[in-house]
Order: sequence, then structure tokens, then C-alpha cells
Amino acid sequence: EAGVAQSPRYKIIEKRQSVAFWCNPISGHATLYWYQQILGQGPKLLIQFQNNGVVDDSQLPKDRFSAERLKGVDSTLKIQPAKLEDSAVYLCASSFRASGSTGELFFGEGSRLTVL
Amino acid sequence: AQSVTQLGSHVSVSEGALVLLRCNYSSSVPPYLFWYVQYPNQGLQLLLKYTSAATLVKGINGFEAEFKKSETSFHLTKPSAHMSDAAEYFCAVTFNQAGTALIFGKGTTLSVSS
Repeated sequence: EAGVAQSPRYKIIEKRQSVAFWCNPISGHATLYWYQQILGQGPKLLIQFQNNGVVDDSQLPKDRFSAERLKGVDSTLKIQPAKLEDSAVYLCASSFRASGSTGELFFGEGSRLTVL
Repeated sequence: AQSVTQLGSHVSVSEGALVLLRCNYSSSVPPYLFWYVQYPNQGLQLLLKYTSAATLVKGINGFEAEFKKSETSFHLTKPSAHMSDAAEYFCAVTFNQAGTALIFGKGTTLSVSS
């Protein structure tokens, strides 16, 4: 079974530039998450999708961050304009949420963003 | 609100020694608890999970954790550390299997020396 795919793995940009990250979840997983992991901290949820609808985006900085999952499969996270404090690893995860499921999240390898 | 606190940002052990990584949770409803491991430049991998069945949970790579409601704890242990266990470990909590995201602790870096 293929895992969660993310690209690019690494990105370096100047502040005020824009960047986009892509995620393709495990086939059949209806729930998709974007987490931000700043160096030395645990992952923090940015947004959660159920199919193509947003379940929770309360911690997404909406003035600069946006995310979409148009067809309920892959997703894109965009930052525009980037700030220095956005330097982090952006982790995508997916899960199979149904009666009897275990609630486990499956993570991609992450996209490391450096803002100069 | 739910949260987890991992005591000790860095733990160092010798190869063959006991590994103990501490996690305390806060939850107003029965929690589901998870331990994940992250190797350098990789995503998070599930080690084990507690979902209201047996309180002693066994995971991969010889790790186990015990859910103690009275102490609101879910500490991770391994009897004998291997060099390959060196990684970052995250405790996480949720209260509903079907539809809520995990809330993670800040992580504990485990170093293993020979």
C-alpha cells in the first residue's frame, strides 16, 4: 500500500514570496490533515478535511495560509506571503475514519520550508 | 480542552538500559492516547495506541505503554535500549476515534550511547 506522498521535500524562499505544498493521501482515506512542525516542537494542526469539506481550520493563519482539497483526494497548502516564522516542516497526514477504525494517522515525510 | 505534557525534552540512556519517556495528559472525557516516533528527516510513525481496551499496550520495536487513569499518565517504556531507538518521540491525545485530530506534545529526543 502506498503511503502519504508529499512534495516538494525541501523549499527555500525569501520572505514575502509564496510557496505551495502538495499532498496525496493513502487511497480510501477520507480525512486529511495538515500539521506545522516548528523545530523543537510537536506538530500543530493547521487544517483538517473530511472528503473535500473543512472540519477544523481554527489554527490556520488565514491572512496568509490557504488550503484546498477540491476533489476529496489530494490537497494543496499555500503560504502567501511567507514570513520568517513560517520556517517549519509541513506534515500531511491521512486517516480512515469509520465505525470501528482505530483513529491512527498516517504521515508523509513532510515538506521542509526555510524562509530567508 | 485536551493536552499532553511530555516531561523531559531530552533523555539519554546507554545501550541495554531501560528507556522511560513520560507523558501526562489532560482530558475532560475518556482519551485515546498514542505514541509516535520520528527519525531524522522522516514523517511520524505510530508506535502504539490506547483506545480504551487493555491498559497495558504493546507496540512495535519492543515498546510498551501503560494507561493509568489515576495518574493521568501514559508513559512509554522499553526494557533494553538499542542504538536504533535514537529518535524523537511524541505523545498525542484525542477524544474521539471518528473525526478529531490528534493533539501532540512537544516531543522527547532519545539519545542512546554505546
